Amino acid sequence: EAGVVQSPRYKIIEKKQPVAFWCNPISGHNTLYWYRQNLGQGPELLIRYENEEAVDDSQLPKDRFSAERLKGVDSTLKIQPAELGDSAVYLCASSLRESGRELFFGEGSRLTVL
Amino acid sequence: DAKTTQPNSMESNEEEPVHLPCNHSTISGTDYIHWYRQLPSQGPEYVIHGLTSNVNNRMASLAIAEDRKSSTLILHRATLRDAAVYYCILRDSAGGTSYGKLTFGQGTILTVHP
Repeated sequence: EAGVVQSPRYKIIEKKQPVAFWCNPISGHNTLYWYRQNLGQGPELLIRYENEEAVDDSQLPKDRFSAERLKGVDSTLKIQPAELGDSAVYLCASSLRESGRELFFGEGSRLTVL
Repeated sequence: DAKTTQPNSMESNEEEPVHLPCNHSTISGTDYIHWYRQLPSQGPEYVIHGLTSNVNNRMASLAIAEDRKSSTLILHRATLRDAAVYYCILRDSAGGTSYGKLTFGQGTILTVHP
């Protein structure tokens, strides 16, 4: 079975440009997460979806970040406009809803803003 | 969010057991204890989780203190492939907006020497 798929794997843009990341979760997983990981730090949650509903977006910088999960499957995370401090790895994860169940992470999308 | 405390780094020799400690003195009765690890340039990977009883799986063992204020991840025979950052995380199962949320800390960098 395929794992969590993310694209692009790497992205280099200039500041003020827009960027989008795509995530395809494991089939049947109703919970989807976007995390951001800065160099040398643990991942920090940006947004969590239960099916198509964002149930926790308290850490998402809403002035420039947006996310959507159409039909409760794939998800897109967008940054517009990007700033230098947005350089990080953006990780997508999915899981079944039951609290004890593990998260499965993708390989991440590494963003470099110049 | 209940917090965990882990040593910044630990070292081990190949084929020796490794005990990775984690303190979580503010754990609530509904928090699961999860361990994830992250190899270089990869997303985090689930290792093991438990609630009250010790747990074993093919990757590791989890020993949970009787008062649940600490736990230890045990790698029975470390290999070079076990070199990674290990995260101890409390995952809320009580409901509300924190339900299922996984909050990463800094983790423990494990170095395995040949």
